[in-house]
Amino acid sequence: DAGITQSPRHKVTETGTPVTLRCHQTENHRYMYWYRQDPGHGLRLIHYSYGVKDTDKGEVSDGYSVSRSKTEDFLLTLESATSSQTSVYFCAISEGLTAQETQYFGPGTRLLVL
Amino acid sequence: GENVEQHPSTLSVQEGDSAVIKCTYSDSASNYFPWYKQELGKRPQLIIDIRSNVGEKKDQRIAVTLNKTAKHFSLHITETQPEDSAVYFCAASKRSNDYKLSFGAGTTVTVRA
Repeated sequence: DAGITQSPRHKVTETGTPVTLRCHQTENHRYMYWYRQDPGHGLRLIHYSYGVKDTDKGEVSDGYSVSRSKTEDFLLTLESATSSQTSVYFCAISEGLTAQETQYFGPGTRLLVL
Repeated sequence: GENVEQHPSTLSVQEGDSAVIKCTYSDSASNYFPWYKQELGKRPQLIIDIRSNVGEKKDQRIAVTLNKTAKHFSLHITETQPEDSAVYFCAASKRSNDYKLSFGAGTTVTVRA
């Protein structure tokens, strides 16, 4: 499982509340990614990080922010959750210190916004 | 950006038969094409991948073919078994884009016993 954990694994929240999801890895990988998975869309990249304090947007970044203050943790924040952000969120890593082709996924977080 | 289309969206096959899933991509600079398998409630797991300098790759009962000219690639599963039932995703990426993955919408494969 490439040493990736996500927390929480399940969360129910209300519209308008802030939510933070955590991705934690134990193997000092430089590149980390956040995807959301929705029926009919596959997985879509929200944000990614290529090092501590180095992040960039993906294709569906509106309404999301990220932070990476240390190598092992990559946080995804929904500033003000909306029902359209109900989804399954997956974190991924690519191994090593340079951009690598293969990505490995964490177990996912199911988020329901009421 | 890259656009990956995947067909069919659902596929039902008799156990022992073959299954084929096809993907097309739009960015001719894409050079890495992985396939992921996702069982219900689980994370996507890489099952096979192919790079643009290779036309075909095989791993036991699964194989992937790539046609760079036509910009499409396919997953072939032979002698299907019930445990092959899952959702399969294709993806494309390129080095110049830090290998950010663009995924197809997925194919739900059901193997009938």
